[in-house]
Amino acid sequence: DIQMTQSPSTLSASVGDRVTITCRASQSISNWLAWYQQKPGKAPKLLIYKASTLESGVPSRFSGSGSGTEFTLTISCLQPDDFATYYCQQYNSLSGLTFGGGTKVEIK
Amino acid sequence: QVQLVQSGAEVKKPGASVKVSCKASGYTFTSYDINWVRQATGQGLEWMGWMNPNSGNTGYAQKFQGRVTMTRNTSISTAYMELSSLRSEDTAVYYCARDGVAEGVYFDHWGRGTLVTVSS
Repeated sequence: DIQMTQSPSTLSASVGDRVTITCRASQSISNWLAWYQQKPGKAPKLLIYKASTLESGVPSRFSGSGSGTEFTLTISCLQPDDFATYYCQQYNSLSGLTFGGGTKVEIK
Repeated sequence: QVQLVQSGAEVKKPGASVKVSCKASGYTFTSYDINWVRQATGQGLEWMGWMNPNSGNTGYAQKFQGRVTMTRNTSISTAYMELSSLRSEDTAVYYCARDGVAEGVYFDHWGRGTLVTVSS
């Protein structure tokens, strides 16, 4: 299986900050990468797919970039509603879809 | 609007099986694959497999091969995930999730999750 490594695992930030989360794949996945946001007790919510395509209804302060093995999720101006855990997911290989370990964005 | 409504929480003994349902509405059930993803308390997300509701074809993560079965009933737009030989490590929230509209396997709609507790 392709391993997905997210960093950092926890991030402390303030409202208004620019935040960047990194996801690295153990082998090239082209741009077959999605990002999700999850709040406690809730199902994940799709933010971005195909590495940089914003899902409909997701605020434009979220953006994704990267290809191959290195990807980033950026929140340009952190809002109170953005404190959550973020996961990347590769879908290059149907034999084994895998998620990153998650990045928890906490209030500083 | 698209909705995936899952069955309620279950408590099972080790060695038993559990069957979780996921009823779809707001779209054509047979047009999008259904996947299952689980999450142990305080842990990350783990993909279990996919099912094509039109053909019934399935694909399972290697970890669950031989223990998981994904089926559907198209007449009631419902997908099922059955996990057998349960052990304590299977205690988790199980989510069904629909494939996104664009190419590739990512998940644009999720059920609320079903907590399965395995305990003697």
